[in-house]
Amino acid sequence: EIVLTQSPATLSLSPGERATLSCRASQSVSTSLAWYQQKPGQAPRLVIYDASKRATGIPPRFSGSGSGTDFTLTISSLEPEDFAVYYCQQRSNWPFLLTFGPGTTVDIK
Amino acid sequence: QVQLVESGGGVVQPGKSLRLSCAASGFTFSGFGMHWVRQAPGKGLEWVAVIWHDGSRKYYIDSVKGRFTVSRDISKNTVYLQMSDLRVEDTAVYYCARDLMERSVDKWGPGTLVIVSS
Repeated sequence: EIVLTQSPATLSLSPGERATLSCRASQSVSTSLAWYQQKPGQAPRLVIYDASKRATGIPPRFSGSGSGTDFTLTISSLEPEDFAVYYCQQRSNWPFLLTFGPGTTVDIK
Repeated sequence: QVQLVESGGGVVQPGKSLRLSCAASGFTFSGFGMHWVRQAPGKGLEWVAVIWHDGSRKYYIDSVKGRFTVSRDISKNTVYLQMSDLRVEDTAVYYCARDLMERSVDKWGPGTLVIVSS
């Protein structure tokens, strides 16, 4: 089973700063990695899929990169609405399984 | 626009059963796989199950195999999660979500809360 680890657990930044979130897989997942944003009391929202493709309606300040085992979600300049928890997620082929990382909280410094 | 709305959550005793429903609208339901993902209070996301667009394949996380069954009714644009032999550790908000290329999920419902408690 592929395990995802995310770092840091918490990122304390100010609006306007750059956020860099990391996700590492225990074995290669090629580019089958997604990122989700979740705010308190809300359902998650897809931000990035296939490692680097922005989901519909996601602003260009969000970007994803990486392949294999190491992935990064970058928010180039934090807006107030970006403070949230971010989860990475991958799919295992056999058995079919979606696995989420433990999450990174981006909070206001 | 795409809309997913879960229902059927509530408080149930350990060992009992519950059926969750997810009504879909705003897209061609028969063309998409559907997932259930849960989140225990204060915890992270845990994928639970998926049903293929045509119902031909179903997969589950190990901890619910033999207890949970996912199904869908194309005529009602609804996906279900039948949960039996519920355990305290099944307590969570249950989200239904639309599949994206069998690799992720792109739309989520607001979730329904299931509390398993005596």
